[in-house]
Amino acid sequence: AQTVTQSQPEMSVQEAETVTLSCTYDTSENNYYLFWYKQPPSRQMILVIRQEAYKQQNATENRFSVNFQKAAKSFSLKISDSQLGDTAMYFCAFMANSKLTFGKGITLSVRP
Amino acid sequence: EAGVAQSPRYKIIEKRQSVAFWCNPISGHATLYWYQQILGQGPKLLIQFQNNGVVDDSQLPKDRFSAERLKGVDSTLKIQPAKLEDSAVYLCASGEGQYTDTQYFGPGTRLTVL
Repeated sequence: AQTVTQSQPEMSVQEAETVTLSCTYDTSENNYYLFWYKQPPSRQMILVIRQEAYKQQNATENRFSVNFQKAAKSFSLKISDSQLGDTAMYFCAFMANSKLTFGKGITLSVRP
Repeated sequence: EAGVAQSPRYKIIEKRQSVAFWCNPISGHATLYWYQQILGQGPKLLIQFQNNGVVDDSQLPKDRFSAERLKGVDSTLKIQPAKLEDSAVYLCASGEGQYTDTQYFGPGTRLTVL
């Protein structure tokens, strides 16, 4: 069974600064995907970024980038130039065989 | 492109009553998922459909929960009878193919059981 661990329950960052959210996972699968989802207070779950396990290059999407360490089973999210709209709960998720497993999430607050 | 639609957005019922949630996936998406998200936790998969067939319902409490996806498009999730611990947000998601690698989520239905 796959497990996803987000050990930090909450973080706070000043607007315009950079913050890194941590995630580790455990699996015996070789082919899988990793995701970061954002869930603002409005509740809609939004895909932030995805990473294919077979790709060595770290995914980037504008201000969002990941540090994917396959051997260490680590998948952290870096948010650069934080904005007030980044305030949300962030979930790390693992997918294999179309089954998505979520971590417990981390609450990120961006301070003006 | 329209996203995943869900209704109602909110529902309050008393324990032992029944409730149903509706989901309309993104047009053309073959795979549909129902998740339960308890406050402060990540979503937990309840059931996965591929077209109108069930792929995985191992986490669905079948004594009280049921789901169907007639004609392989819309889906309904029913709880009967509801318990206090069923209070949660119920999320629907859809994906393109059988081995979809990205799921797109609806806004969810917040259920409160009193």
